[in-house]
Amino acid sequence: DAGVIQSPRHEVTEMGQEVTLRCKPISGHDYLFWYRQTMMRGLELLIYFNNNVPIDDSGMPEDRFSAKMPNASFSTLKIQPSEPRDSAVYFCASSPRGTGELFFGEGSRLTVL
Amino acid sequence: GEDVEQSLFLSVREGDSSVINCTYTDSSSTYLYWYKQEPGAGLQLLTYIFSNMDMKQDQRLTVLLNKKDKHLSLRIADTQTGDSAIYFCAETLLRDDKIIFGKGTRLHILP
Repeated sequence: DAGVIQSPRHEVTEMGQEVTLRCKPISGHDYLFWYRQTMMRGLELLIYFNNNVPIDDSGMPEDRFSAKMPNASFSTLKIQPSEPRDSAVYFCASSPRGTGELFFGEGSRLTVL
Repeated sequence: GEDVEQSLFLSVREGDSSVINCTYTDSSSTYLYWYKQEPGAGLQLLTYIFSNMDMKQDQRLTVLLNKKDKHLSLRIADTQTGDSAIYFCAETLLRDDKIIFGKGTRLHILP
């Protein structure tokens, strides 16, 4: 298996622009997680899905952030409008079950100018 | 409450043992994990321990769990330059499937 695939790997955008991050989980994994990593706050759980259904989105910072999982092989995290404080590395991870064995993608590094 | 605490930095000489410590606050934790993150990469699971265990050994890695004190440690024997990375402690809670991570400990290897 190719592992969790994220795109883009790097994105530089200007404040106010829409950003869409994409994730393809490992086939057969029922759980998908979106995390954000910054030096100040470490690794924060934004939202997670079980069988394509959002279970807990309490970590989503505000209404500018939204996440979808239209099918078992694809998820998006959208930021609209983006702000400089959204600059971070965003990780997608999938898991065959909710016991913490997460398989991470390589991350999408977002810079908002 | 949900909180996982780790020291941010650790420097160790090559060949010595590294001990990375973690404390957690939620007594309902089921599994506790150690993940490793190398530069520019995602996290990778190193090892894990179930909450009813005290110790787990896997080659150069030893995990110790003190459930009474809610203290978890990772010992890396014979530390090598390839062990230089950020190590994250994480817990899975009994009541849901959330995985809570600490902020990570950056392990620096001295020559």
